[in-house]
Amino acid sequence: GNSVTQMEGPVTLSEEAFLTINCTYTATGYPSLFWYVQYPGEGLQLLLKATKADDKGSNKGFEATYRKETTSFHLEKGSVQVSDSAVYFCALGTNTGNQFYFGTGTSLTVIP
Amino acid sequence: GAGVSQTPSNKVTEKGKYVELRCDPISGHTALYWYRQSLGQGPEFLIYFQGTGAADDSGLPNDRFFAVRPEGSVSTLKIQRTERGDSAVYLCASSLNSDGELFFGEGSRLTVL
Repeated sequence: GNSVTQMEGPVTLSEEAFLTINCTYTATGYPSLFWYVQYPGEGLQLLLKATKADDKGSNKGFEATYRKETTSFHLEKGSVQVSDSAVYFCALGTNTGNQFYFGTGTSLTVIP
Repeated sequence: GAGVSQTPSNKVTEKGKYVELRCDPISGHTALYWYRQSLGQGPEFLIYFQGTGAADDSGLPNDRFFAVRPEGSVSTLKIQRTERGDSAVYLCASSLNSDGELFFGEGSRLTVL
């Protein structure tokens, strides 16, 4: 079956620290992988995506590389800011395009 | 509208009552999804529409849940004989072509007393 497992939170970092949020997946076929972010009081929004193995998605200083050999899609950012405080969800999309599976979310708080 | 709109934002009801939750997707988006999110969990798939038809309703938990999208735009999620376990945030998302960029609304928080 299809599923996503992501690092449990909450995560608290100081401003300018390095961030990694781990995400691994189980899938049949060739899924697409996503990171969604939910800022306080807002709906989920797409942060970045990768549609095939070895692709790197990037946006707003965040990066994630689709690693088929380790079935992973870890989210990284070199220097976090207070404004990055949010809940981050890893997600998998089936190649039929109609089912998306989300992880449980990782809450990140960045302190000045 | 500019984004996905969901109403009501909050709904408190009593066990056994009937509830309707509405989603107005981004204009022109043919794909529409309903998800349910319980506290501390990620969104859980309920149903997916492509146009007017329910292309995949495998996530609906039981026959008390039903959703429609009669004109291929606005969708309504209907829950009959609500139970306390139905309490959650119900999320709607739309997509231009089901390619993975889902645009989510802010959700409807349902509380069943």
